[in-house]
Amino acid sequence: EVQLVESGGGLVQPGGSLRLSCAASGFTFSSYWMSWVRQAPGKGLEWVANIKQDGSEKYYVDSVKGRFTISRDNAKNSLYLQMNSLRAEDTAVYYCARDRIAVAGTWYFDLWGRGTLVTVSS
Amino acid sequence: SYVLTQPPSVSVAPGQTARITCGGNNIGSKSVHWYQQKPGQAPVLVVYDDSDRPSGIPERFSGSNSGNTATLTISRVEAGDEADYYCQVWDSSSDQGVFGGGTKLTVL
Repeated sequence: EVQLVESGGGLVQPGGSLRLSCAASGFTFSSYWMSWVRQAPGKGLEWVANIKQDGSEKYYVDSVKGRFTISRDNAKNSLYLQMNSLRAEDTAVYYCARDRIAVAGTWYFDLWGRGTLVTVSS
Repeated sequence: SYVLTQPPSVSVAPGQTARITCGGNNIGSKSVHWYQQKPGQAPVLVVYDDSDRPSGIPERFSGSNSGNTATLTISRVEAGDEADYYCQVWDSSSDQGVFGGGTKLTVL
């Protein structure tokens, strides 16, 4: 079965760190760009970061630059998000998503995990 | 950064046609993608590249994109179509993904 399964969410204090993981199965993980997308409680979707197949290119939303790091391990079919200096506004469900190339040479997301909740609070 | 604007809500009776808009500066020059999200569930891609449907998505879902507005059209709306819908583009000038604020579709 083609699927993405996130883990690693939880409660963390402001200023703390957390590492999210995403396990991919049912497809050739190393052939795809991958993204993290988040959704604050009761709010809309926000793209967070993505990473090229070999990890050589990474892009981030402005609000997490310098605090979050996306990485991957193709041998383990896994995607990661290291989150440092966490803030209350980072509280959200974090989804792992598979990127696909659009006609215009950009990306959309055709496969999503069920998400993992990160709560930043004292 | 690039901004996408969606109406917060759209209501339609069963069997009618729902149209959800997504506004952006010269959005017609970009590829627009649409996602459906039901409560407590992950988003699902319903239209990509303005008007293409992934396998398994009913033909009732269609899209168009021109000028400053992209539109997701749902024909013969069913109760099961009630959900939040999000448009999305990739902003090549900033190398960032961008989502619209979302539209809640209510089936009356």
